Amino acid sequence: NAGVMQNPRHLVRRRGQEARLRCSPMKGHSHVYWYRQLPEEGLKFMVYLQKENIIDESGMPKERFSAEFPKEGPSILRIQQVVRGDSAAYFCASSPTWNTEAFFGQGTRLTVV
Amino acid sequence: QKEVEQNSGPLSVPEGAIASLNCTYSDRGSQSFFWYRQYSGKSPELIMSIYSNGDKEDGRFTAQLNKASQYVSLLIRDSQPSDSATYLCAATGGGSNYKLTFGKGTLLTVNP
Repeated sequence: NAGVMQNPRHLVRRRGQEARLRCSPMKGHSHVYWYRQLPEEGLKFMVYLQKENIIDESGMPKERFSAEFPKEGPSILRIQQVVRGDSAAYFCASSPTWNTEAFFGQGTRLTVV
Repeated sequence: QKEVEQNSGPLSVPEGAIASLNCTYSDRGSQSFFWYRQYSGKSPELIMSIYSNGDKEDGRFTAQLNKASQYVSLLIRDSQPSDSATYLCAATGGGSNYKLTFGKGTLLTVNP
């Protein structure tokens, strides 16, 4: 049973480009969380999705950031027109339902140059 | 703002000692609580979950939950240098607050 898969593991983008981060949840999991983590800091909640639905996006910046979790395929976190401040590790976690254990992927390290 | 708070540490214990990590949460409706371990440069790894008041033991780890005091703790017995990591406390919200919120973590160092 494969774990949560994130790709790419490392992503370099120039300022103004778009970044697309993918997260394939564990088999049987229909809930996905996205978090951002800066070095030496905690996990900052961004968005919580269920298949085809955004449940809570209270941690997402209003501009440039969007997330989706389609019926088929991975969850996508999209950052448009990236800036240097977007450089961070982005983690996704999946769970079978809400209020239960969530398991993390290996993360995507985004560097904006 | 619903929050999870942890002692910022760092916490240093000698090998073989008991490490005690503490966490409080502000959302009285929170139902599920988790402890994760994160090594430097790695992703968080789930080590314990607890859903009801009392103690839950798994090997050298014991999680304790007191909903009346809104307090969660993790005890690590016979601490090993390999336990050196940042420990993250997390809670799911109550009511319609579904998100999984993390504390900032406590850095634990176990000295040989």
